Amino acid sequence: DGGITQSPKYLFRKEGQNVTLSCEQNLNHDAMYWYRQDPGQGLRLIYYSQIVNDFQKGDIAEGYSVSREKKESFPLTVTSAQKNPTAFYLCASSPRLGGDSYEQYFGPGTRLTVT
Amino acid sequence: GESVGLHLPTLSVQEGDNSIINCAYSNSASDYFIWYKQESGKGPQFIIDIRSNMDKRQGQRVTVLLNKTVKHLSLQIAATQPGDSAVYFCAAGMRFGAGTRLTVKP
Repeated sequence: DGGITQSPKYLFRKEGQNVTLSCEQNLNHDAMYWYRQDPGQGLRLIYYSQIVNDFQKGDIAEGYSVSREKKESFPLTVTSAQKNPTAFYLCASSPRLGGDSYEQYFGPGTRLTVT
Repeated sequence: GESVGLHLPTLSVQEGDNSIINCAYSNSASDYFIWYKQESGKGPQFIIDIRSNMDKRQGQRVTVLLNKTVKHLSLQIAATQPGDSAVYFCAAGMRFGAGTRLTVKP
């Protein structure tokens, strides 16, 4: 059963703590992405990765970090430097980066609440 | 960079009517556009895509129209059903618009 998994579905943290969100895919996709979604708003690109051991900042990368040590995994760390970390975080993958390969497959999301 | 925007944040239609959701983009070099549907608490799901060398593409009950002259695309849903109620996003590459919430009234 192929797809993208994100865990956990709900995550609660105290302000000042770093937290890592998991994203795993078994679709054999090269490209992976992280988005942030705030209530009533669209998706904003945090980071993306074209291939293993490579990743690029998106539009709102400040306060976040990622790694891509394996093709299947693209974890996102929300650091204490992120001013407003409470949001719905979505991970996605696509066969490749660019052209008509941008059709993205999304995970179910992780709702992070920081108090 | 690319900027993608939707014209209306909400749209309400009667069951059985046709729905039209509009979207504008800023980068004339964008060559691939996608419409996604997002149900509450879930990740977006692919609906239909269109390349910049096309003006129209049809799927099952959905049609996407692309007007490159005015950098505008639309999603048409025929015979809208209650299950179509969701937020719809247009995307240019990996950049997304703000979304339109479609509500279908029985």
